[in-house]
Amino acid sequence: QPVLTQPPSASASLGASVKLTCTLSSGHSSYSIAWHQQQPEKGPRYLMILNRDGSQNKGDGIPDRFSGSSSGAERYLTISSLQSEDEADYYCQTWGPGWVFGGGTKLTVL
Amino acid sequence: QITLKESGPTLMKPTQTLTLTCTFSGFSLSTSGVGVGWIRQPPGKALEWLALICWDDDKRYSPSLKSRLSITKDTSKNQVVLTMTNMDPVDTATYYCAHATRYSSGSYYPHYWGQGTLVTVSS
Repeated sequence: QPVLTQPPSASASLGASVKLTCTLSSGHSSYSIAWHQQQPEKGPRYLMILNRDGSQNKGDGIPDRFSGSSSGAERYLTISSLQSEDEADYYCQTWGPGWVFGGGTKLTVL
Repeated sequence: QITLKESGPTLMKPTQTLTLTCTFSGFSLSTSGVGVGWIRQPPGKALEWLALICWDDDKRYSPSLKSRLSITKDTSKNQVVLTMTNMDPVDTATYYCAHATRYSSGSYYPHYWGQGTLVTVSS
């Protein structure tokens, strides 16, 4: 079963860009992942599915400021033009079979 | 518009059995490629997947909790029910259900989430 590793925290300034990382465990570098956002005191929201080739399927109404990319076993979520409401926990998730979640990254917007 | 809502007890005692219901609208669980899953989140901690039921009644469980979980669906009522036996204070968490869509190679990914319901286990 794959394991997903995420840094526990990240920070960036209002209006800047930030790139969050999700690392797939050895032997699972070809897996697709999904990114989910969880704002404080809210349920998660699906952002996108991100494939090994960098192609992505975004959820309804997800702004263009959110984009994904891939390199080897790394899956990235880039958020540009950071807004205060982007301050949230971001989780990556894959199919293992069954759902496997990373530990989440807490993004602080300075 | 797809919506999901979790319901169940808010307070439980150790050893009791938890029964949670996910009531949804905007889709049918008899449609090919659709599933509903359960995920929980202890206070201040990460998301943890529990179970998934698919349109064809295929069921998947978290390996670490499999012996305690059961997931069923009632297509006519648009509901999915999760039961978890032998509840313990460490099971205190917000429990979410989520609509899932089949992707490549038979995989399913959550696309729409409920608002969650907090279940506290305490003696």
